[in-house]
Amino acid sequence: DGGITQSPKYLFRKEGQNVTLSCEQNLNHDAMYWYRQDPGQGLRLIYYSQIVNDFQKGDIAEGYSVSREKKESFPLTVTSAQKNPTAFYLCASTLDGGGMNTEAFFGQGTRLTVV
Amino acid sequence: ILNVEQSPQSLHVQEGDSTNFTCSFPSSNFYALHWYRWETAKSPEALFVMTLNGDEKKKGRISATLNTKEGYSYLYIKGSQPEDSATYLCAFIMDAGGTSYGKLTFGQGTILTVHP
Repeated sequence: DGGITQSPKYLFRKEGQNVTLSCEQNLNHDAMYWYRQDPGQGLRLIYYSQIVNDFQKGDIAEGYSVSREKKESFPLTVTSAQKNPTAFYLCASTLDGGGMNTEAFFGQGTRLTVV
Repeated sequence: ILNVEQSPQSLHVQEGDSTNFTCSFPSSNFYALHWYRWETAKSPEALFVMTLNGDEKKKGRISATLNTKEGYSYLYIKGSQPEDSATYLCAFIMDAGGTSYGKLTFGQGTILTVHP
């Protein structure tokens, strides 16, 4: 079955530690996205990548880093510089970078708690 | 930051009621507008991808319209059922003429609760 896999579903980390969230897709999609959701808020874009070896900052990129070395993988690192990392993180992909004719597919999300 | 607004924030209706929500987005450099349904404990799923001014799309009891010139889209649900309870999200994509090409920018969502 094609889809997007995020792991783990729940993640606990100590304050000051970097943590990497995994996102893998086998849909052969070019574009991938990372979003963050906080209670009572919508999805806010952290980083996006329209093609392998290229990515752009979203609206709230500070304290995060990404890589796109393979088409199917777009890991997100939450660094110690992120002031409020506890949140729900959602990964998505679209067939092309424009999203004109195809919808986004989403992973199940990772809930990160920093203590 | 692109301004994509959805209203209302939440809505409670009775089973059988018809309802509608609004998504407002920038009217310049329009490329596409998506609607998604996000049920609790599941991943968001696409309802519609809309690209042309005047587009009207329908899937069962749910339909959507698009006005790119004035920058809004409506989502309608006819005869709401409890299983329609979910968060409904719209997402705006800007064209290549804009600096944010390729960004999928979401509104904050409308939370619909349908009471039996």
